[in-house]
Amino acid sequence: GAVVSQHPSRVICKSGTSVKIECRSLDFQATTMFWYRQFPKQSLMLMATSNEGSKATYEQGVEKDKFLINHASLTLSTLTVTSAHPEDSSFYICSARVLSSYNSPLHFGNGTRLTVT
Amino acid sequence: SQQGEEDPQALSIQEGENATMNCSYKTSINNLQWYRQNSGRGLVHLILIRSNEREKHSGRLRVTLDTSKKSSSLLITASRAADTASYFCATDASFGNEKLTFGTGTRLTIIP
Repeated sequence: GAVVSQHPSRVICKSGTSVKIECRSLDFQATTMFWYRQFPKQSLMLMATSNEGSKATYEQGVEKDKFLINHASLTLSTLTVTSAHPEDSSFYICSARVLSSYNSPLHFGNGTRLTVT
Repeated sequence: SQQGEEDPQALSIQEGENATMNCSYKTSINNLQWYRQNSGRGLVHLILIRSNEREKHSGRLRVTLDTSKKSSSLLITASRAADTASYFCATDASFGNEKLTFGTGTRLTIIP
């Protein structure tokens, strides 16, 4: 089955530093990947849609200069949280579809728990 | 904005019993999907039902969709301890931009 690998699974950083999270599709190519954020015991909030070879599409209220997304290849998208602050602490999850069709399910990475101290 | 709401928010049942979770949504959809999330992990796709379908089965899972009421239900039969997880419905809006919007989720606990 389709596998999405996300790294790191857990990261602790100091306030003001930047953190990069990688999302890889291991056995398929993904022209589009999705980045979600999840607070404890809450639902997933879509942050942005990552498009291979072009700029990401950000959801309303998500700062594109704060959350930098790069999708340089068909198997890798990265999310960089710049100048992280404690309020950025959250669970970040990426996902991708095998087929670029709305009737194709999403495959998720195992998420990254970010803690900013 | 949050598309779906799920009911109940939390559910605890004895192992072997059936579990039913409901999901309501607001806009027209192409399909509705159900996902499971174990604590601290990513989501796993369970089942997808298209807008022109009313019921779908997959193993111990049964999903219904009522587009007139904008609601769906997920039934897990003969529950097992391993079914303990959070369950989310997700909708793909009919304007087809591939984005999924997730519901608020139901936390299911199966008591051995």
